[in-house]
Amino acid sequence: ELQLVESGGGLVKPGGSLRISCAASGFTFSDAWMSWVRQAPGKGPEWLGLIARKIGGGASKYAAPVEGRFTISRDDSKNTLYLEMNSLKTEDTAVYYCTTYRPVGGWYWGQGTLVTVST
Amino acid sequence: EIVLTQSPGTLSLSPGERATLSCRASQSVTNNYLAWFQQKPDQAPRLLIYGASSRATGIPDRFSGSGSGTDFTLTISRLEPEDFAVFYCQQYGSSPYTFGQGTKLEIK
Repeated sequence: ELQLVESGGGLVKPGGSLRISCAASGFTFSDAWMSWVRQAPGKGPEWLGLIARKIGGGASKYAAPVEGRFTISRDDSKNTLYLEMNSLKTEDTAVYYCTTYRPVGGWYWGQGTLVTVST
Repeated sequence: EIVLTQSPGTLSLSPGERATLSCRASQSVTNNYLAWFQQKPDQAPRLLIYGASSRATGIPDRFSGSGSGTDFTLTISRLEPEDFAVFYCQQYGSSPYTFGQGTKLEIK
C-alpha cells in the first residue's frame, strides 16, 4: 500500500527556518515525481513545487510565492522527500502535504504536518 | 500560470438531488490532467477524479467527471448525506500546478 508520512512540523519564529520530511513507502520512490502542497487555515490547497526523479534530471520547480525561499530535495536511498523552508513568514502557517501522482490511481497525499510561524 | 475558476461558490441542494460543479481553466489543460478533490472539516483533501474522468480507488460511481480543454464538470448523480463538503479542482498539466478556489456543497 502506498504511504506518505510527513514529519518535522512545529512552531517557528518569523524569519526562521525549518525542514520537514516525508517518508514514502509502497512504491518505487526513485521513479516518482514528488510534490509539496500546503493549506493555510480556512483556505484552499496551494501547490508549492515538485522534484523530478533523478533519472530524469532531478530538477525542481516552484510556485512564485516560495521560489528562492523553499527548496525541495530527495534522498532516494532513504525513500524520503524534504522541504527546506527559509525566511519564514506568518503567512507560511499551514498544513504541509507531501504528494505524488501515479498513472494508475492518481494523486496520493500524506496526512500532513502543521507548520506555525508566529512570535 | 493556469487560473482555475470554480462555480458556483456555494451550492445548496438536498440529499437525493443531482449536483453539477464547474471548473473553468484560463487556458487549455494539457492532456486533460484535471483532478477533483473533496474536503471535509479537519481532513486532508480526498481524491475523487483524475485525468478529468477516471474515478479514484474506492470512489462511488455516483461521482463522475467530464470535460476537456478548458471546461470541466464534476457530477454527483444522487447526493448522499456524506457528500456535503468543499470540492476543489486542480490542473497538473503544466507547472505551476494550480487549484481552483473551491465550491462549497451544503445541505439545503
